[in-house]
Amino acid sequence: DGGITQSPKYLFRKEGQNVTLSCEQNLNHDAMYWYRQDPGQGLRLIYYSQIVNDFQKGDIAEGYSVSREKKESFPLTVTSAQKNPTAFYLCASRGVWSTGELFFGEGSRLTVL
Amino acid sequence: AQSVTQLDSHVSVSEGTPVLLRCNYSSSYSPSLFWYVQHPNKGLQLLLKYTSAATLVKGINGFEAEFKKSETSFHLTKPSAHMSDAAEYFCVVTPYNAGNMLTFGGGTRLMVKP
Repeated sequence: DGGITQSPKYLFRKEGQNVTLSCEQNLNHDAMYWYRQDPGQGLRLIYYSQIVNDFQKGDIAEGYSVSREKKESFPLTVTSAQKNPTAFYLCASRGVWSTGELFFGEGSRLTVL
Repeated sequence: AQSVTQLDSHVSVSEGTPVLLRCNYSSSYSPSLFWYVQHPNKGLQLLLKYTSAATLVKGINGFEAEFKKSETSFHLTKPSAHMSDAAEYFCVVTPYNAGNMLTFGGGTRLMVKP
């Protein structure tokens, strides 16, 4: 079945460590997105990519980095520069001919100890 | 510029009673509008979408929404709540066919009492 796979589902990190969250899709979608969700809040865009080897900052990109070397993959690195990284992270994708709807992964919950 | 306001952060209903989740939007462009549902610790699932066709949109699980341009609203309704409807619901706006400019509402948590 087509879909988006995020891993790991749960991740614990010590302060000062970088961590990378994986996002893989087999929907043949061109665009991919990373969102951050905090309790009781909506989603905030971290980075997005419309095509391989290209990506743009979203509203809260500071302390995060991404790469898009393959169409299927859009990993997110949470660096030690991110001051408050504990959150639920959601990856999404969209087909170029879609009317805007996103397909989401199951999310990754990062906790900094 | 665009924005989305979900008028209630929490809504509580009894099982079998109607559900109304309210969403108002503003957009400089002709908008596409979406409702997504999120169960705890899960990703978001599309419930329904409006993309300038019929103003009354039917979605999955018995939900529907009506686009009212004069009121800039896109309220989500369901005639009879089920326990499995308990979740967080997000209203989303984007200019038509411009998926990179999605704006999410703050979410409404729906609680369903037995």
